[in-house]
This record gives sequence, C-alpha cells and structure tokens, in this order.
Amino acid sequence: GAVVSQHPSWVICKSGTSVKIECRSLDFQATTMFWYRQFPKQSLMLMATSNEGSKATYEQGVEKDKFLINHASLTLSTLTVTSAHPEDSSFYICSAGGQGHSDTQYFGPGTRLTVL
Amino acid sequence: LAKTTQPISMDSYEGQEVNITCSHNNIATNDYITWYQQFPSQGPRFIIQGYKTKVTNEVASLFIPADRKSSTLSLPRVSLSDTAVYYCLLRRRALTFGSGTRLQVQP
Repeated sequence: GAVVSQHPSWVICKSGTSVKIECRSLDFQATTMFWYRQFPKQSLMLMATSNEGSKATYEQGVEKDKFLINHASLTLSTLTVTSAHPEDSSFYICSAGGQGHSDTQYFGPGTRLTVL
Repeated sequence: LAKTTQPISMDSYEGQEVNITCSHNNIATNDYITWYQQFPSQGPRFIIQGYKTKVTNEVASLFIPADRKSSTLSLPRVSLSDTAVYYCLLRRRALTFGSGTRLQVQP
C-alpha cells in the first residue's frame, strides 16, 4: 500500500512553546490529508481536513488558531500546535489517500507529543 | 455520522479463527466498509475493504450480507502478533472511528 510518513515520531516541549508536525505522502499525491488525535486508551478523533492550496476544515470543538494546518504541496501537510499546554499532550496521526468512496486512506505512524 | 458498532473486546487463542462482527445500520449507498488494525503507539494499518458479498486478501476475509447493515472480519489462524485493536469504519471522505474491538490472543 501507499506510504505516509510523519516527523517527528515523538517530541517533548515546554508549556507555551509551539510544535510543528509534518505529514508526507511518499509515493502518491494527496490533495486532501486528515489530522487525528488519540488520547490513551481512546479511539482516534478527527481534528481537521487539510486541503492543498486552501484553508483547512476543522471539526467542531477544535480551535483553528491553536492547531494551525498548512497544506502547501500535494505531498506535505503540517500541523502546528501553538502555545502548547499539558492538555495538548496526545498522539497525533495523519492520513492521506484517494478522494473516491472506495479509495483507501493510509495512516502515518503517528507523533507522540508530550508537553511539560 | 457514519456510526458503527462492534464488540469492545474479544479473546482468542493462537491458531483459532476469529470473527469480529460490526453493525452499521445507517450505511449509505456509496459507503464502502473498511477495517483497520492498530497496535499501541502506531497509526492504524489498513486490513481490508469491501462493498458487498465477500472479499479476501492475504491476511483476512470480509463478509458482507446483502442488506449491508453488518459485516464480519475473519482472521484465520490468529497468532500472538494479531493482538491489537480492530476498527470497522464506513469509508467516506473522512473516517469516523468508533471504539474498536480489542482482540487479545493468548498462547
């Protein structure tokens, strides 16, 4: 299947700092990528849809000014957690794939964010 | 909302066949049924996807009845490494994850 990578795989930062997470589709182009968050022992929650060349679409309850998404190319989307706080500590996962109903979404390996 | 319902957990032993059933009563005409596997601290891994009847690949089979309101993922001869959480989803533009089924395989 297609490969989606994320960088970094883990990051520890101090409260109040900003952290950028990259999501890349390695062997295909993705006009749309998705960002999820997963807390321990819970399921994945969709945060936002990243659209190449246009603004991201955020799910209800997700602050767009706190979680900045940039999808500048067909293979790269970035999620920046601004002014991170301990409650933002989580596992962040991106996915990418085709647009059709039968097209498979492939997930990245995830990024573990720990805010001290 | 593309809601699915599946058992919270299942237990099995190595070498057994495991069947995980998922209910999706509000499936739409365009929805495909997709199953993912997730290990701790990893992103979900695609297992199998189907629209109707039966689909088989090298790791699993997916059975979908004619009304498509449910589906069953079949894992033949599971091993310890199949211990994971399995998610059943309806393939739409964005995937909505339910609670998944936590499969524990014992020796």
